[in-house]
Amino acid sequence: GQNIDQPTEMTATEGAIVQINCTYQTSGFNGLFWYQQHAGEAPTFLSYNVLDGLEEKGRFSSFLSRSKGYSYLLLKELQMKDSASYLCALVGAGNNRKLIWGLGTSLAVNP
Amino acid sequence: DGGITQSPKYLFRKEGQNVTLSCEQNLNHDAMYWYRQDPGQGLRLIYYSQIVNDFQKGDIAEGYSVSREKKESFPLTVTSAQKNPTAFYLCASREGGTVAEQFFGPGTRLTVL
Repeated sequence: GQNIDQPTEMTATEGAIVQINCTYQTSGFNGLFWYQQHAGEAPTFLSYNVLDGLEEKGRFSSFLSRSKGYSYLLLKELQMKDSASYLCALVGAGNNRKLIWGLGTSLAVNP
Repeated sequence: DGGITQSPKYLFRKEGQNVTLSCEQNLNHDAMYWYRQDPGQGLRLIYYSQIVNDFQKGDIAEGYSVSREKKESFPLTVTSAQKNPTAFYLCASREGGTVAEQFFGPGTRLTVL
């Protein structure tokens, strides 16, 4: 199977740093995505990890450890507009590149 | 501007009626996908197509049908056989080959009364 676990909800304060974790159990995958989704809108791409390690992109960073079955998304200098759901998705091992989605973490940023 | 369009944004239908949701992309992407999203649930794959004139069932295809007659278009029909059709429907496309990133349309919120 390819179970993906994320915390359901998190809260943080404007200006702070927050880490959203994603753990998974899978026999193989091609990579791991993080998407952001505001309420009622489409998911938008944040980051993609293929190899172990940290990918940094402005205020957002994502980390992957294949041996530990673990990824996290790190959001720095939080802004109110970062209040959204954050979706972790694995790229399946097949040629069709299907994505297997976690349920998402709803982040609330408070002033 | 290249992108994916879905229309309409909100759609209301009476129970027992079939309804077709449109999805058009001008990104020249080979692969297209339809997802359903319900409150508290992740994205669930309904159907996908990796090339024109070919498509495969996803995890929850029952009560839905699709066609892929043109590269740009991947309409989804929600039939009367779908037990709980009220949901947020998202269409996505992917360049193809080994490129994995999916780009999403704005979504259609279907409400069946």
